[in-house]
Amino acid sequence: DIQMTQFPSTLSASVGDRVTITCRASQSIGSWLAWYQQKPGKAPKLLIYMASSLQSGVPLRFSGSGSGTEFSLTISSLQPDDFATYYCQQYNYYYTFGQGTKLEIK
Amino acid sequence: EVQLVESGGALVQPGGSLRLSCAASGFTFTTFSMHWVRQAPGKGLEYVSAISSNGGSTYYANSLKGRVSISRDNSKSTLYLQMGSLRAEDTAVYFCAREERSRELVHWGQGTLVTVSS
Repeated sequence: DIQMTQFPSTLSASVGDRVTITCRASQSIGSWLAWYQQKPGKAPKLLIYMASSLQSGVPLRFSGSGSGTEFSLTISSLQPDDFATYYCQQYNYYYTFGQGTKLEIK
Repeated sequence: EVQLVESGGALVQPGGSLRLSCAASGFTFTTFSMHWVRQAPGKGLEYVSAISSNGGSTYYANSLKGRVSISRDNSKSTLYLQMGSLRAEDTAVYFCAREERSRELVHWGQGTLVTVSS
């Protein structure tokens, strides 16, 4: 199985900050990487697919990059609605999620 | 509008069995692969299982292999997850999700809670 390591597990930031979350795959997955946002009690919401493609309707402040084994999600200027938990997911060989990053208000 | 509605979650004793359902509407169910993902209370997302559009191909996460079975009834636009030999660590919200042609999971249900406890 492909393992996904996501860090940091918790990130404290303020509105307006630029933040980056990193995800590492245990083997190369090409660009088969998605990022999800999840809020308490809700289903995950797809933000980014194929490592860097922005899902329709997702604000432009979200961006993704990387390929192979190293990936990142960047939020260019945090908004109050962005405080949530973020997960990476590989879908090169079936599916595996990272452990999640909780983005907290500083 | 795409809708996925899970049901069947319940309180069940250790060693028991349960069948979850996911009723789909708003799209042609027969043309999409479907997935189950779970989330234990306060924990992260864990991938569970997948089934191809015609039901001919299935996949199970190693942690659940042998204890769960995924199936679908395309005539009823419904996805199922049969779970057995349930353990306390199977306590979770179980989500169903639709796989897009580009393989991402865009549409999700609201989840159904399974609690395994005596």
